[in-house]
Amino acid sequence: ELKVEQNPLFLSMQEGKNYTIYCNYSTTSDRLYWYRQDPGKSLESLFVLLSNGAVKQEGRLMASLDTKARLSTLHITAAVHDLSATYFCAPETSGSRLTFGEGTQLTVNP
Amino acid sequence: SAVISQKPSRDICQRGTSLTIQCQVDSQVTMMFWYRQQPGQSLTLIATANQGSEATYESGFVIDKFPISRPNLTFSTLTVSNMSPEDSSIYLCSADLAGAPLPTDTQYFGPGTRLTVL
Repeated sequence: ELKVEQNPLFLSMQEGKNYTIYCNYSTTSDRLYWYRQDPGKSLESLFVLLSNGAVKQEGRLMASLDTKARLSTLHITAAVHDLSATYFCAPETSGSRLTFGEGTQLTVNP
Repeated sequence: SAVISQKPSRDICQRGTSLTIQCQVDSQVTMMFWYRQQPGQSLTLIATANQGSEATYESGFVIDKFPISRPNLTFSTLTVSNMSPEDSSIYLCSADLAGAPLPTDTQYFGPGTRLTVL
């Protein structure tokens, strides 16, 4: 059974600062997703990482995947208030099934 | 424009009743899924909705409680049967849109159905 651990679970940061969210998973997965969820909303797809060493960037967010270490990171650069949300990682297993981490609730303070 | 839509968006139901949730995708897809998000929690996969055959359920979920239909490549339903307050959750469908005319192959989620059981 695939287990997924995110840390931290809660992150409060100042605007303009940098931080990294970590996603560790227990069994082999060659594809990993990052999603954003705002309160009361559904999931917004941020990144899909398709192979070992994959790195993708969109605005202030950058995601990477190390399949050998079973680790993905989501790096936030110069945080702004609009990034406040809950972020989930989800490695994919057979049959395109996703197993979600617990989520990281990010609050960016002015 | 919405790629995946769900109906209803929310409902309040009485204990012991059943609710059927509909999921419609704008394009034909091979894989459709149903997830549950309990209050303040992450998402858990309920089942894979297979077109033309019975759904594949994850551990802890059974067909009698969550019957699923998938009559074609764009539509699926999830029924929450004999509801109890513990079934109060957000139910989301998703589709693997690989190959669809979108920027990248990824799994998209519907807007969710917020269910409250009294």
